[in-house]
Amino acid sequence: GAGVSQSPRYKVAKRGQDVALRCDPISGHVSLFWYQQALGQGPEFLTYFQNEAQLDKSGLPSDRFFAERPEGSVSTLKIQRTQQEDSAVYLCASSLFRGAGGSNQPQHFGDGTRLSIL
Amino acid sequence: KQEVTQIPAALSVPEGENLVLNCSFTDSAIYNLQWFRQDPGKGLTSLLLIQSSQREQTSGRLNASLDKSSGRSTLYIAASQPGDSATYLCAGLNSGGSNYKLTFGKGTLLTVNP
Repeated sequence: GAGVSQSPRYKVAKRGQDVALRCDPISGHVSLFWYQQALGQGPEFLTYFQNEAQLDKSGLPSDRFFAERPEGSVSTLKIQRTQQEDSAVYLCASSLFRGAGGSNQPQHFGDGTRLSIL
Repeated sequence: KQEVTQIPAALSVPEGENLVLNCSFTDSAIYNLQWFRQDPGKGLTSLLLIQSSQREQTSGRLNASLDKSSGRSTLYIAASQPGDSATYLCAGLNSGGSNYKLTFGKGTLLTVNP
């Protein structure tokens, strides 16, 4: 079956440009997560959606980062006025998990978008 | 704030050897502990998930244990193969009210030599 799909796979942008990264979760998955992974590091949590509701955005590094999931399926992570430190792999994950009652549900990850800011 | 540490950072073993990867976490109030595999340029593949009420999970040649009281988890790989070469990440799922987040370690880079 189809897994989590992310596009584009690679994105190169000049410093100061805006970028938009897309995530198509597994159909029917309630929860959606965004992570940022720097080279040689583990993924770092950015934000969490349950359906269309953004329940946690505590990991977003600055107000230049914005995420949405308007219809509870596809999600977009937008970064405005990109800076070099934004260069990283951005991973999206989805899960049937819906709070503590779903603690046996793993997160399924896409292959990520590798963002390079010049 | 949850902190997850993985030891060793890198491990190289000959094919056929059994091996153990270690993970420790500071906040024992986790809902589950997950082990993932990451191949170069790829996303994460879930290997095993241990709920907080469980002590271990097994899948094929993989066995993961969880000791919440000591804040530790181990991933045991039996009869390692070259195809097992990858980065292995552990992550704990914590809650703050209605918010849930996975906190990852930096991973262990495993190389299995033929």
